[in-house]
Amino acid sequence: LAKTTQPISMDSYEGQEVNITCSHNNIATNDYITWYQQFPSQGPRFIIQGYKTKVTNEVASLFIPADRKSSTLSLPRVSLSDTAVYYCLVGDYNQGGKLIFGQGTELSVKP
Amino acid sequence: GAVVSQHPSWVICKSGTSVKIECRSLDFQATTMFWYRQFPKQSLMLMATSNEGSKATYEQGVEKDKFLINHASLTLSTLTVTSAHPEDSSFYICSAPITLNTEAFFGQGTRLTVV
Repeated sequence: LAKTTQPISMDSYEGQEVNITCSHNNIATNDYITWYQQFPSQGPRFIIQGYKTKVTNEVASLFIPADRKSSTLSLPRVSLSDTAVYYCLVGDYNQGGKLIFGQGTELSVKP
Repeated sequence: GAVVSQHPSWVICKSGTSVKIECRSLDFQATTMFWYRQFPKQSLMLMATSNEGSKATYEQGVEKDKFLINHASLTLSTLTVTSAHPEDSSFYICSAPITLNTEAFFGQGTRLTVV
């Protein structure tokens, strides 16, 4: 399973766009990139998943460069309720749902 | 959408007693579920893979006799912390995969406090 590296923490203000970058230099050809969000005392929640280029849903965008050695989660116009820990995971279908979490990025959104 | 429900949300028990935590997939079948534990300010650590109808697979360093896992049906997995000690106090979370890769639903977690 490819190891991921993210910033430990980030600060932002309401209304700003937040970009969290994740490094995964050893990503394999079959690996997908997935991001989860976790609020205190809750289980993680799936945000977005991608393989290459750009993926966008109602919550976030995921940018993946051609070499796929990194990815960037983009949260548009964050609010206080986006304060959470964000995890970047890399893996393929052979895992059968087994997820290995890295340290995550603790995002703090201030008024 | 698919939901994974975990019960109880929190539990306090005395040292030496056992505690059972349930994880249910509410509107889908899950032949495999996963159990994690999370200490304050730390990431989730995978404890074991729960397999319906067969023995669980434990990660290295996790005591299988202390953390008993049973997956008796396609919608229910249970984790029993036996002879609990204060150091077992943690946040326990279960998950069930949605797709074959890295998409999963997680339960809301169980806060275990051993006094």
